[in-house]
Amino acid sequence: AQSVTQLDSHVSVSEGTPVLLRCNYSSSYSPSLFWYVQHPNKGLQLLLKYTSAATLVKGINGFEAEFKKSETSFHLTKPSAHMSDAAEYFCVVSFTGGGNKLTFGTGTQLKVEL
Amino acid sequence: GAVVSQHPSRVICKSGTSVKIECRSLDFQATTMFWYRQFPKQSLMLMATSNEGSKATYEQGVEKDKFLINHASLTLSTLTVTSAHPEDSSFYICSARQGLSYNEQFFGPGTRLTVL
Repeated sequence: AQSVTQLDSHVSVSEGTPVLLRCNYSSSYSPSLFWYVQHPNKGLQLLLKYTSAATLVKGINGFEAEFKKSETSFHLTKPSAHMSDAAEYFCVVSFTGGGNKLTFGTGTQLKVEL
Repeated sequence: GAVVSQHPSRVICKSGTSVKIECRSLDFQATTMFWYRQFPKQSLMLMATSNEGSKATYEQGVEKDKFLINHASLTLSTLTVTSAHPEDSSFYICSARQGLSYNEQFFGPGTRLTVL
């Protein structure tokens, strides 16, 4: 079975400061890992994905995540937060043996303050 | 990027009525479509997977007779909530995938269902 845990339900940062959204996963097989962002009343947008290539993955809007197998983590970071980054972020895991079904974490609400 | 639309974006209905939600892939052929449900402050839960021209595969605990899914064409899937009750009120999101199972899923904007 696969699962994903997002350790923080809410994160608040000041504009211009770094962002760290934490995610730990559990998977019996080599996983694919994703981060999606959901703005209010909008569809989910893929930020980045890890699929067994480079462990440091760069995504859109300046976000990146590092796959650490020893820690079973895939934390999302951004050097400098922008007001437009305020949204809900989901860490997602899938694996080939499971038909590539996506298993979502519970989400982290990111708030960016002036 | 690929675009997926949903209609309607919001629907309010009376208890006992049926509601149909459409999911369309606008600029690609979706061989597989997925339906998710998201309760307030919770994550997305996969309800069912449908392949064009085949019966949908439902996740454990999802009533197939209550949530009817039709994927009759490569660009359209529908979810019908039959005899809706207040506990069915939720945010329903579809996604669509073209071709192989490791391809990216593209998500629709969701449909807010409120059952009175």
